[in-house]
Amino acid sequence: SQTIHQWPATLVQPVGSPLSLECTVEGTSNPNLYWYRQAAGRGLQLLFYSVGIGQISSEVPQNLSASRPQDRQFILSSKKLLLSDSGFYLCAWRDHRSSYEQYFGPGTRLTVT
Amino acid sequence: QKEVEQDPGPLSVPEGAIVSLNCTYSNSAFQYFMWYRQYSRKGPELLMYTYSSGNKEDGRFTAQVDKSSKYISLFIRDSQPSDSATYLCAMSQGAQKLVFGQGTRLTINP
Repeated sequence: SQTIHQWPATLVQPVGSPLSLECTVEGTSNPNLYWYRQAAGRGLQLLFYSVGIGQISSEVPQNLSASRPQDRQFILSSKKLLLSDSGFYLCAWRDHRSSYEQYFGPGTRLTVT
Repeated sequence: QKEVEQDPGPLSVPEGAIVSLNCTYSNSAFQYFMWYRQYSRKGPELLMYTYSSGNKEDGRFTAQVDKSSKYISLFIRDSQPSDSATYLCAMSQGAQKLVFGQGTRLTINP
């Protein structure tokens, strides 16, 4: 069966500091990968998605970036965090060969102070 | 106008009640419909998905899609306290992008 991991689970960072969040998927190959942000009391906002190694599509222009250095690894980064970057960051995967549903990881709660 | 509208609640019902959760949408190109359940401080969990109009049943859960009215529903029968969570509808017209509702916070009271 497939498993998706995210770390860290919780992060408190000062404004202006860098960020690196990691997501890995087990039990599948060549998944489509997604980064979402969920602000308090809101739905999910798609930030980036990737259909393969080194292939990144951005949905929202901002100070965040994403990379996919390996088939089942997806990284969300920032050089300088803003207060508005606080939120719950979720990674998701999809089997592009068989379905349109996405499956989510446990999330990283980021607080920028 | 948002593409997907979902009443944020909160919705509070007694244990054993039938719960109805609803979303409306404006984009007639949406073809794929999903419901997720999200417990507090956890990632969303896929509950049900459907690709066509009509009803789909899975245990105590029934997903209903009415494409002509651009309206989807999730029914929970014999609701349990463990069903207390936020329920998110999601829909897509293509492969990559899911559009989510705001989520409805549901509480089942013992």
